[in-house]
Order: sequence, then structure tokens, then C-alpha cells
Amino acid sequence: GAGVSQSPRYKVAKRGQDVALRCDPISGHVSLFWYQQALGQGPEFLTYFQNEAQLDKSGLPSDRFFAERPEGSVSTLKIQRTQQEDSAVYLCASSLVGNGNQPQHFGDGTRLSIL
Amino acid sequence: SQELEQSPQSLIVQEGKNLTINCTSSKTLYGLYWYKQKYGEGLIFLMMLQKGGEEKSHEKITAKLDEKKQQSSLHITASQPSHAGIYLCGAGRYGNKLVFGAGTILRVKS
Repeated sequence: GAGVSQSPRYKVAKRGQDVALRCDPISGHVSLFWYQQALGQGPEFLTYFQNEAQLDKSGLPSDRFFAERPEGSVSTLKIQRTQQEDSAVYLCASSLVGNGNQPQHFGDGTRLSIL
Repeated sequence: SQELEQSPQSLIVQEGKNLTINCTSSKTLYGLYWYKQKYGEGLIFLMMLQKGGEEKSHEKITAKLDEKKQQSSLHITASQPSHAGIYLCGAGRYGNKLVFGAGTILRVKS
């Protein structure tokens, strides 16, 4: 497809389990971003890649969160030993370049529920 | 308090009426983005404003940036049910990340 694709759309996990969320950006987009959106709030920045390099991970809430983009295309956000406070919508966005002059295009997100 | 404050938090308008949503930043604005989100879906890019005084329009939606006031407004003319959703403003910050306001929920009554 032409847009940012995220999978799965919904994920339910038990507390303590590990989860992996996938993002397939728009073809040719250099920059990739992950955001976390709590109910009733705007998205909050987690991490940023330019090609395969993770240039900013300042928004990752703990060392249980890990993101990678090994070939500069598809990215995976992994959460280890999930906690209830990890329940949120995780949004992925991509942009053509990372100079702030191009808009970020978002996927539909993965809604994560931790029981 | 949030870095970006949006007002109002929610509004209900009669179809055909005009409305304005405001976004005020506590920091200097280097770029302001407006997005629309429907429940359970991702953000749809509407407009990007980069220069003080800049104004852009798309169909019945107009956005303006007042750099001195660190403020942007989104104006919808002759609202339609298709305009309903959550409107989010986002500001570009160092490192290309965006910070967002909490959103304005718009409902249009037909």
C-alpha cells in the first residue's frame, strides 16, 4: 500500500509477557518515528530513526522498551516484561527526510492492552 | 502543564457553522503541524506552517501561524459531518520529533 502500515492492529498480552510491534513505512522514507498515545491525549515521542541509525531514543520510558530498524526500512518496537501502564496506542510515522521540512505520515497504530 | 495547549477541548457545532480551534505554545515555534484523527485510526496530515504570518487553506479548512504570539489557529468554514473528529496540533522540536497538544474533539450536528 501507499501508506504507513502497522501490525498487529490490536494486541492483548498478559502482564510480564514480551510484545513486538511492526511498522512498515512509506517506501523511500528515510525517517521513522514511534509515538505512544494514551487515551484522550496527544501522541508522545518515543524514538527516531534516520535510515538504520537510531538518532534519538530519549522518549523511551524505560529500558524495557527497545526499537530497531536493521535495514533502514521496516521497524520493530519491542516491549519486554509488559506492565499495565504500557497499555496505549503505539503509532509509527515516516517522513521523506528528517530535516523538519517534510510532514510525518502516520499509520493507524497498534492498540496494546496489558491484562 | 503541556507544552502545547489547545482550546477548546471539545466543541459541538451545527452543520454549516464556522468554528476555530486554537493552539498555543509555551516555546518558540519552528514549525506547526495540524492533524486530524478519527477514533481508532491514525493521524491524517492536514497542513504544515513554517513561517510567521503564514496562512494555508485546503478545501474549507484554513490554518494560520502567529509566530510572535507562539500561536496557531485552525478555522473551518461551513462545517460538515465529515469534519468531525479530533484535531491535533504538533510542533517541531530539535531532532525532528513532534510534540502534540491534547487535541480538540469536534462534533458536527446535522
